[in-house]
Amino acid sequence: DADVTQTPRNRITKTGKRIMLECSQTKGHDRMYWYRQDPGLGLRLIYYSFDVKDINKGEISDGYSVSRQAQAKFSLSLESAIPNQTALYFCATSGTGAEAFFGQGTRLTVV
Amino acid sequence: QKEVEQNSGPLSVPEGAIASLNCTYSDRVSQSFFWYRQYSGKSPELIMSIYSNGDKEDGRFTAQLNKASQYVSLLIRDSQPSDSATYLCALLGGSARQLTFGSGTQLTVLP
Repeated sequence: DADVTQTPRNRITKTGKRIMLECSQTKGHDRMYWYRQDPGLGLRLIYYSFDVKDINKGEISDGYSVSRQAQAKFSLSLESAIPNQTALYFCATSGTGAEAFFGQGTRLTVV
Repeated sequence: QKEVEQNSGPLSVPEGAIASLNCTYSDRVSQSFFWYRQYSGKSPELIMSIYSNGDKEDGRFTAQLNKASQYVSLLIRDSQPSDSATYLCALLGGSARQLTFGSGTQLTVLP
């Protein structure tokens, strides 16, 4: 089993729908991140969390919200999806060594 | 100015040559720097980390850091077709909280 698991792996949704992407990890790390990746733009940070009570906005948080349900779980929500949120989404975790471990990614298409 | 800048490429080198990838950054207090490799459709994976000025070698890979000039580079010696991927530069900012990525350089090693 993967150390960082994202669900779903692929999702097509309609404009205006609410959608949640889930991430769970078995590495015991405190730090968790959500990134989106678009062609030519690299990985852009949406939100990050250092523990259940420490959640912070990243570079592109507008239109997104997160929930850290437990040390091992960090969910990303799109309250009202729009087409320009079509992207590849990655969850990542890191410990004190700062190396980030990534999930397999969620390919989201908003039509 | 973006916090982490990379030439997007594409960069093509013949098999056996040295591939040189460069990255500049704007946050002078950044302390930790990373190179990730991402194959098409896959998650990024860490290949090198560097924390102090100078060179760090690991097999065919050498990371170079110059904090005064605010750049970090990655050299790949004896490049192989299997090295063909996108290489992402990343840094842990001065607050040691946000892991920020560049847009990536696409490398193709020609057989």
